[in-house]
Amino acid sequence: AQRVTQPEKLLSVFKGAPVELKCNYSYSGSPELFWYVQYSRQRLQLLLRHISRESIKGFTADLNKGETSFHLKKPFAQEEDSAMYYCALPHEGAQKLVFGQGTRLTINP
Amino acid sequence: NAGVMQNPRHLVRRRGQEARLRCSPMKGHSHVYWYRQLPEEGLKFMVYLQKENIIDESGMPKERFSAEFPKEGPSILRIQQVVRGDSAAYFCASSPPAEQPQHFGDGTRLSIL
Repeated sequence: AQRVTQPEKLLSVFKGAPVELKCNYSYSGSPELFWYVQYSRQRLQLLLRHISRESIKGFTADLNKGETSFHLKKPFAQEEDSAMYYCALPHEGAQKLVFGQGTRLTINP
Repeated sequence: NAGVMQNPRHLVRRRGQEARLRCSPMKGHSHVYWYRQLPEEGLKFMVYLQKENIIDESGMPKERFSAEFPKEGPSILRIQQVVRGDSAAYFCASSPPAEQPQHFGDGTRLSIL
């Protein structure tokens, strides 16, 4: 079955330190992957998608088909990055999304 | 553009009652998705609808759950004879037809007493 795995439920780093949130997927086709973020008391919102190859709020994510990974990275964490982060991909290329369990990122001052 | 609107934000029901959750998609979006998030878990797909048609309901429990998206008005997720295990956050998302990404609402937190 298609699956998205975020191995870390909690991740805590200091302000200014690099941060990497891990995401691994299982899908035999060409995946389209997303990172969604949910800040405290706000709705889930799209952070970035791999096909756009953008950097949003300093975050980047590279699709590694060999390792089936789509890790989210930022070189210098900021306190406002504290949030829940979800990795997701469309199930078998269709519209419905399969989500990872999420990683709660806490940036310590 | 107000975005995806869900109501109510919080809903409390006693076991055996019915719960109705509403979702109005973003302007210009004709497709709606419902996801459920149980405590300590990720979001799980339930159903995908367009106006007057269910496209994919593979994630819906076989009993007590139903969804609709009428020609006029919001999409409704209906849970009959609720049980404690239905306590969860229910998220709605919308998109243009067959497009990503999906845009999410604030969710409805359902609590069953």
